[in-house]
Amino acid sequence: EPEVTQTPSHQVTQMGQEVILRCVPISNHLYFYWYRQILGQKVEFLVSFYNNEISEKSEIFDDQFSVERPDGSNFTLKIRSTKLEDSAMYFCASSEGGLAADTQYFGPGTRLTVL
Amino acid sequence: AQSVTQLGSHVSVSEGALVLLRCNYSSSVPPYLFWYVQYPNQGLQLLLKYTSAATLVKGINGFEAEFKKSETSFHLTKPSAHMSDAAEYFCAVSEYGNKLVFGAGTILRVKS
Repeated sequence: EPEVTQTPSHQVTQMGQEVILRCVPISNHLYFYWYRQILGQKVEFLVSFYNNEISEKSEIFDDQFSVERPDGSNFTLKIRSTKLEDSAMYFCASSEGGLAADTQYFGPGTRLTVL
Repeated sequence: AQSVTQLGSHVSVSEGALVLLRCNYSSSVPPYLFWYVQYPNQGLQLLLKYTSAATLVKGINGFEAEFKKSETSFHLTKPSAHMSDAAEYFCAVSEYGNKLVFGAGTILRVKS
């Protein structure tokens, strides 16, 4: 069964450094998402992406964050200058359609630790 | 604004007992509702979803959920718990577009 994959599974970085989290969505899906979960808190929406553009973003997704689909298979989240509060589990998801009823399929997550 | 409340951050049941995980939502329009499960070190897996076709929704692994508009609830149930059901369960709502809003999650423990 097709699945969303994410690399790395765990990333440790120093405050102020740039990180890139990578995701490979399901191949025929057209809509891509990033969510994050800070330890002990809810899973929060960050951004959705379609047709090489951001469809929607949350207040969390400020200028420090960017997303890109650099090729036909990868979808990346870049954090330009990491802060301690960026430490969280980051989940990538993809869906075939972009409607509210469409199922989003999640990857296993990347645990980001900022020291 | 849409929101989800999951009552009980931890639920413990005996193997073979009924599982009931509670979810209440707030939405200004008829919502789409989802239950996801997360096993240790894995991603979120869809259990079932409500998209207005039927109020009682059956999902994978014997789980089902009933949409009750009058109670703004979408509780998840399973008649008989199995050890393999131990996991964290998330209720989520989606209104417009495709942004999911999640509840805080409920960790289910199954005792032998």
